[in-house]
Amino acid sequence: DAKTTQPNSMESNEEEPVHLPCNHSTISGTDYIHWYRQLPSQGPEYVIHGLTSNVNNRMASLAIAEDRKSSTLILHRATLRDAAVYYCILRDVNFKGGKLIFGQGTELSVKP
Amino acid sequence: GAGVSQSPRYKVAKRGQDVALRCDPISGHVSLFWYQQALGQGPEFLTYFQNEAQLDKSGLPSDRFFAERPEGSVSTLKIQRTQQEDSAVYLCASSLEVVSRTLKGPRSYNEQFFGPGTRLTVL
Repeated sequence: DAKTTQPNSMESNEEEPVHLPCNHSTISGTDYIHWYRQLPSQGPEYVIHGLTSNVNNRMASLAIAEDRKSSTLILHRATLRDAAVYYCILRDVNFKGGKLIFGQGTELSVKP
Repeated sequence: GAGVSQSPRYKVAKRGQDVALRCDPISGHVSLFWYQQALGQGPEFLTYFQNEAQLDKSGLPSDRFFAERPEGSVSTLKIQRTQQEDSAVYLCASSLEVVSRTLKGPRSYNEQFFGPGTRLTVL
């Protein structure tokens, strides 16, 4: 599976937008980009995923670069509840297995 | 609407003891995954079931680790003769079929729903 690179940590202020970057320069044409997050003392939870076009849902937006070598998870207004570790994960659409391969993720802290 | 539940939430074992960790997936979910998460690390895949069939156990670290899902619902992860390096949070996740396909559309992964995990400490 292709590898992703994320900053170890980021800080944000409450009610401000947050842009969490992810580099995946070796992405293949059949890889979906998934984001999960893990709040303290909880299991991970799904955030969003996309293939080529930008995606929006109630939790976040996903902006995918035209060459697909990078993507950005956007939280439009960070709240204290958004403090978590955010994982960017690639999954082959041709289904090479259902497992999620987590990296180190980005630990987001939100200041009041 | 119950999510994925795991029990116990915390387990302390003496080195050499056997432990059994339980996972109750969301009703109707076909796929079930076990992950191990060491302190400060991302979760790592252990094994995967589709119904009662264990389709991938490539992540199990040793033959001391054994998982089963005999009726395609509840799953148990058993660790025999626990060692200190087994100390971690063990996460269970379930999903509908791993992938789904609309009538004419592309395949798409279904999201995995995670339980709260079992924190195992081996003394």
